[in-house]
Amino acid sequence: DTEVTQTPKHLVMGMTNKKSLKCEQHMGHRAMYWYKQKAKKPPELMFVYSYEKLSINESVPSRFSPECPNSSLLNLHLHALQPEDSALYLCASSEVGHPGGTQYFGPGTRLTVL
Amino acid sequence: EDQVTQSPEALRLQEGESSSLNCSYTVSGLRGLFWYRQDPGKGPEFLFTLYSAGEEKEKERLKATLTKKESFLHITAPKPEDSATYLCAVEGDSNYQLIWGAGTKLIIKP
Repeated sequence: DTEVTQTPKHLVMGMTNKKSLKCEQHMGHRAMYWYKQKAKKPPELMFVYSYEKLSINESVPSRFSPECPNSSLLNLHLHALQPEDSALYLCASSEVGHPGGTQYFGPGTRLTVL
Repeated sequence: EDQVTQSPEALRLQEGESSSLNCSYTVSGLRGLFWYRQDPGKGPEFLFTLYSAGEEKEKERLKATLTKKESFLHITAPKPEDSATYLCAVEGDSNYQLIWGAGTKLIIKP
């Protein structure tokens, strides 16, 4: 099973709201990722967690706050977002310590910031 | 600088008309080259991972090949359901960080 699940599928929020995106995988992967994808562009890496510790933060604004509560779950907390943050947010997972390991993506959360 | 270039940007084919998509790359220390399919509004769906020049992989109507400079995704006798954007990405010396191409939008007309 190579399934990564994400909730919610769609989210509309105002600029003063606080919301969270959730991601789950049961493949035993210990690396998990958050990506942002704008229309007609490839995914853009935001964060990487390895063994539940943040290992890469691609200079993402602090209004995005990742959390990895355990090896299967990954959250992205959102606060005071801007309209330009509207995008498809993708979660992915892969094996750790395996160079060239395949990243498996979830279906994404379509975020609209009003 | 690590770079991935996909061509063409868009490709329109008649059903059954075979063709190839190209992914040219420049990367220090190739660890893997990945092909994904993406439908509008959905996450990328994994297709293939290639690790070394000369490697080939097949799945249904798709075949991926790899040389030291480029990869091809060959599609044989495509069907309308093969319509999607095909993304190529490489992993070099920077662990976990994929370098992405801009994608090829494939449209198969019945």
